[in-house]
Amino acid sequence: DSGVTQTPKHLITATGQRVTLRCSPRSGDLSVYWYQQSLDQGLQFLIQYYNGEERAKGNILERFSAQQFPDLHSELNLSSLELGDSALYFCASSVEAGGYIEQFFGPGTRLTVL
Amino acid sequence: AQSVTQLDSHVSVSEGTPVLLRCNYSSSYSPSLFWYVQHPNKGLQLLLKYTSAATLVKGINGFEAEFKKSETSFHLTKPSAHMSDAAEYFCVVSDPGNTPLVFGKGTRLSVIA
Repeated sequence: DSGVTQTPKHLITATGQRVTLRCSPRSGDLSVYWYQQSLDQGLQFLIQYYNGEERAKGNILERFSAQQFPDLHSELNLSSLELGDSALYFCASSVEAGGYIEQFFGPGTRLTVL
Repeated sequence: AQSVTQLDSHVSVSEGTPVLLRCNYSSSYSPSLFWYVQHPNKGLQLLLKYTSAATLVKGINGFEAEFKKSETSFHLTKPSAHMSDAAEYFCVVSDPGNTPLVFGKGTRLSVIA
């Protein structure tokens, strides 16, 4: 158990809908990262927050957005969902924001868009 | 920009035989390199990391990796495979500073009894 929690574990929804994925980092970790894992794209970095501020952006679609709240939990919002958005979404956290820092991954949220 | 190439998408070994998972990286800087493991229906777990200290890095569960700058490689090895090692393994590179992790496409390790 990494100490990172993600809810829900599974989410099934329809095209065009909007969903929110939630992540609670390890106690004391200030940095939160979101990743998408799909069969065709592999594991891709989406976005990073550090102590409430956006720190880095990866291959995140405009339909997707995220935020980190004062209690350091983070939410990833996915809107106007398409079939291709079906994937495993991971959250990770680390104490600091450096590239050399180990990231601890949550168990993921499996999103299925029908 | 940094990148990672995992040379094998699938490796199959017999239990008790050595494991070799190959990884080549590309980076403009002195990178940090990681190996993560993902067991079925689980999150990712760090096996080991290289951050410019010793070039031979020992990790959990008997795994180790050697950083070879001249070959831009960071291959993962284990002397004797165990059934519980069957999983997906990801080689990961990150440049210094606040840069995101870049994952390879993964190598699926199968262990045959």
